Amino acid sequence: DAKTTQPNSMESNEEEPVHLPCNHSTISGTDYIHWYRQLPSQGPEYVIHGLTSNVNNRMASLAIAEDRKSSTLILHRATLRDAAVYYCILRDGSGNTPLVFGKGTRLSVIA
Amino acid sequence: SAVISQKPSRDICQRGTSLTIQCQVDSQVTMMFWYRQQPGQSLTLIATANQGSEATYESGFVIDKFPISRPNLTFSTLTVSNMSPEDSSIYLCSVEGDSFVAFFGQGTRLTVV
Repeated sequence: DAKTTQPNSMESNEEEPVHLPCNHSTISGTDYIHWYRQLPSQGPEYVIHGLTSNVNNRMASLAIAEDRKSSTLILHRATLRDAAVYYCILRDGSGNTPLVFGKGTRLSVIA
Repeated sequence: SAVISQKPSRDICQRGTSLTIQCQVDSQVTMMFWYRQQPGQSLTLIATANQGSEATYESGFVIDKFPISRPNLTFSTLTVSNMSPEDSSIYLCSVEGDSFVAFFGQGTRLTVV
């Protein structure tokens, strides 16, 4: 699996936007960019995923660089509930393959 | 979406004993995945379980230590055998739903004393 690089930790103020970066310079043409997060004492949960175009859903936005070698997860207004470890994961589009987790970014949100 | 129920949610076990973790899904799925999360670490894939066939184990994990059953399309078990304190971890099962989205159970927090 292609690898991703994320900062170990980031900090944000409550109700401010948060931009979580991810580098994936060895991404292949069939790799989707997935983001999951793990809240304390819970299993990971899906956030968003995309292939080439920017994506928006109720939780977040995903901005994908034109060369697809990097992406940014955007939380538009961080809340205390958004404090979690965020994982950027590349996954082949064929599906039914397991997620391979890196170390992720631990996001702290300050009230 | 898929709802996953894992049992037990936590347990404290004596070294040398075995614990079987159950994973029940509310819909039929082709593959189920088992992960381990050691304290303060990320998730590591243990094995992939298909119904009707032997599980496929990742490097560093063996069937004698982590036997897996997959009797039908909604259920799987992972056994942690002959436990030692190093096996203290959170064990999670996962399935894939629609649109390549993965769903996870809440995990089983195992402490070996």
